[in-house]
Amino acid sequence: EVQLLESGGGLVQPGGSLRLSCAASGFTFSTYGMSWVRQAPGKGLEWVSAITGSGFSTYYEDSMKGRFTISRDNSKNTLYLQMISLRAEDTAIYYCARKYSISSGFDHWGQGTLVTVSS
Amino acid sequence: DIQMTQSPSSLSASVGDRVTITCRASQGISNSLAWYQQKPGKVPKLLIYAASTLQSGVPSRFSGSGSGTDFTLTISSLQPEDVATYYCQKYDNAPLTFGGGTKVEIK
Repeated sequence: EVQLLESGGGLVQPGGSLRLSCAASGFTFSTYGMSWVRQAPGKGLEWVSAITGSGFSTYYEDSMKGRFTISRDNSKNTLYLQMISLRAEDTAIYYCARKYSISSGFDHWGQGTLVTVSS
Repeated sequence: DIQMTQSPSSLSASVGDRVTITCRASQGISNSLAWYQQKPGKVPKLLIYAASTLQSGVPSRFSGSGSGTDFTLTISSLQPEDVATYYCQKYDNAPLTFGGGTKVEIK
């Protein structure tokens, strides 16, 4: 069974940093592209970042370039999102999601981890 | 960047009604479009990919169509368990933008 389990969320002050993790199991992690998607309270889904299975290529939503860094450790079956210079508007549930194939959407999602940026 | 616009933003329909949600891309994306269902307090669920391919396990009352810039999600006979917010998403190239969502309620 495919499982994605996020961790690392919490309360952080504006300007602070946080690293999210997503532990994957039940599939060959290194063969799938992965993404982070966030959802602010009461708002819609917002794609954050993606990384290829090898980790060689990464992609970001424009407003997060330079502040967020996606990475993965295929030996540990874990996806990461390093976030710096956090702002109040980064407050959201952060989901990791698996992209099934180049011609498909996100077929599995984690339960999410809440990031709250507040003083 | 390509923008994804959904309409309507919300709708209310009766059980058994046919419901149609529209998603428009600001530029052509071929058929690289997915639809998701998010029930209140739950994680999003993939319903349809490649614009019209039903994900395994999804009821057949859900269908998708379209190509290029205009896409639709149709629920042929609305059921109480379909109360949710529905999102489209382009996935041809980054950014993998979501539409703003359509909230579906029962009248």
